[in-house]
Amino acid sequence: AQKVTQAQTEISVVEKEDVTLDCVYETRDTTYYLFWYKQPPSGELVFLIRRNSFDEQNEISGRYSWNFQKSTSSFNFTITASQVVDSAVYFCALSVIEGDYKLSFGAGTTVTVRA
Amino acid sequence: GAGVSQSPSNKVTEKGKDVELRCDPISGHTALYWYRQSLGQGLEFLIYFQGNSAPDKSGLPSDRFSAERTGGSVSTLTIQRTQQEDSAVYLCASSSRRYSEAFFGQGTRLTVV
Repeated sequence: AQKVTQAQTEISVVEKEDVTLDCVYETRDTTYYLFWYKQPPSGELVFLIRRNSFDEQNEISGRYSWNFQKSTSSFNFTITASQVVDSAVYFCALSVIEGDYKLSFGAGTTVTVRA
Repeated sequence: GAGVSQSPSNKVTEKGKDVELRCDPISGHTALYWYRQSLGQGLEFLIYFQGNSAPDKSGLPSDRFSAERTGGSVSTLTIQRTQQEDSAVYLCASSSRRYSEAFFGQGTRLTVV
């Protein structure tokens, strides 16, 4: 069975600080997909990124970056120079063939960026 | 519309009544999910439809909950004999392929009084 663990429940930072969100996953499959979603206070979940298990290249998109390490089964997310608008709940998710690619979410990490 | 649409946006019902929540996925999307999110909590998986496969109902919390997807498109989540603990935001999502990202609707906030 697949599982996603986001050990950090809440993170509070001051604006312009960097913040890293941890995501550790478990699966027996060799083919799988990892995702990050953002849920701002408005409530609607917003897709941020998808990575497949065969591509360990790190990715950067503006102030967001993702570090995928198969050796530690982690897919961590860093926000550089955080802004108040980054305040949200961030969810990591996993999709594997065993579950017919059903999305399994972690518990989420609440990020609060203070001005 | 271009996104996932859910209706109603808000629903207040009396304990013991039945409710139906509707989800219109993005056209052509084969996968459809229902999740539940209680206040300040994470996403609780309810049910997953993938194409013509039998739905994964493993997340439904009791037999009061059921869902169907007609014609591979619109889905309805039905809660019978609602209880106060059913109060939550019910989220629907769809994705174009088995391994694709899912896009979420704005949710239906259900309040059982």
